Amino acid sequence: KAGVTQTPRYLIKTRGQQVTLSCSPISGHRSVSWYQQTPGQGLQFLFEYFSETQRNKGNFPGRFSGRQFSNSRSEMNVSTLELGDSALYLCASSSFERGGTDTQYFGPGTRLTVL
Amino acid sequence: AQTVTQSQPEMSVQEAETVTLSCTYDTSESDYYLFWYKQPPSRQMILVIRQEAYKQQNATENRFSVNFQKAAKSFSLKISDSQLGDAAMYFCAYIGPGNTPLVFGKGTRLSVIA
Repeated sequence: KAGVTQTPRYLIKTRGQQVTLSCSPISGHRSVSWYQQTPGQGLQFLFEYFSETQRNKGNFPGRFSGRQFSNSRSEMNVSTLELGDSALYLCASSSFERGGTDTQYFGPGTRLTVL
Repeated sequence: AQTVTQSQPEMSVQEAETVTLSCTYDTSESDYYLFWYKQPPSRQMILVIRQEAYKQQNATENRFSVNFQKAAKSFSLKISDSQLGDAAMYFCAYIGPGNTPLVFGKGTRLSVIA
């Protein structure tokens, strides 16, 4: 099976702009989670989607949003970008309907740089 | 809230030697899962090993094994016969029951010396 894919791999934006990142899970996986990775804060959970519904949300401002489509592909959007949003954004997929208690497999990430 | 602590920011090991990475966690749950993930420089995070809390037997995957001490809330990773390709950031992660997210430690950067 193909792994988790994320597009684009690299993005450069300026403050105030918005950005949309995409994630395609492993075939058959219905749960998609997003994480932000920075050198200072490490890996932080953004949100999780299952069957087009947000099932869990981390402690991020409302500028961070996401959605999931019927084919399980997911997008996350960041509006009004700030310098501190520069990070590696990782997507992970898992298969269990309960979510959480199954192994999450990660994509290569999208490196976002905000200037 | 659950927390995961990796007390060794950096470690190094000679090629072919054995190294142990430490991880402790805090939880009041009895049913949970623990993971070690590896993230090579500028490369994808991959699963190294997984341990279910209800299993007393320590998980093993080839050269990688864990020492799971549930009462002590400790979950260390042992890498035997270290190879240059083992150089990476290693993250310990916890996930509880239900729809809860992965909680990661800060990571340990492992260098392998030829």
